[in-house]
Amino acid sequence: AQSVTQLGSHVSVSEGALVLLRCNYSSSVPPYLFWYVQYPNQGLQLLLKYTSAATLVKGINGFEAEFKKSETSFHLTKPSAHMSDAAEYFCAVSLGAAGNKLTFGGGTRVLVKP
Amino acid sequence: KAGVTQTPRYLIKTRGQQVTLSCSPISGHRSVSWYQQTPGQGLQFLFEYFSETQRNKGNFPGRFSGRQFSNSRSEMNVSTLELGDSALYLCASSLRGARDEQYFGPGTRLTVT
Repeated sequence: AQSVTQLGSHVSVSEGALVLLRCNYSSSVPPYLFWYVQYPNQGLQLLLKYTSAATLVKGINGFEAEFKKSETSFHLTKPSAHMSDAAEYFCAVSLGAAGNKLTFGGGTRVLVKP
Repeated sequence: KAGVTQTPRYLIKTRGQQVTLSCSPISGHRSVSWYQQTPGQGLQFLFEYFSETQRNKGNFPGRFSGRQFSNSRSEMNVSTLELGDSALYLCASSLRGARDEQYFGPGTRLTVT
């Protein structure tokens, strides 16, 4: 069975500081990995996805994530936080060919301080 | 290209009633998935439809059901509503399935009283 763990349900960063959101997964087969962002009263928006083409994935809004198989991790980073980054972020895993569902982590709420 | 639309956006129902939620996917997308989001359980997969067939189902009771029409629009139904069914129900569409980008609608906020 696949599962996703996000370390830290809340993260507070200063504007301009590094944003680092942690995600670890477990999967018996090579996974497809995704990061989504959710703003208040909205649905989820895809930030980026990993599909084995490259271990460093660049997404929208300056976010990127690195896939590390040895650590079963897919951490999300952004070099400089902006006030508009305040939202909830979800890591998700899919099992590829047989995986027609997403399993989500518990989410990390990001607060950006001015 | 228009995004995923869900109707209604807000709904208030009473315990024991039933409810039907609707989802219109992005044009050309054949896969529609449904998720339930609650503060306690987070985001949980309900089911996925592809070309009018249910391909995968999450761990929810039989009160939760769905269907997909030939134009890929999908509906989900919850019968005999319980207080615990209060949640944000999100629909997502993709070309083929979860390994493709899934595009989410704004959700339907269901409150059961």
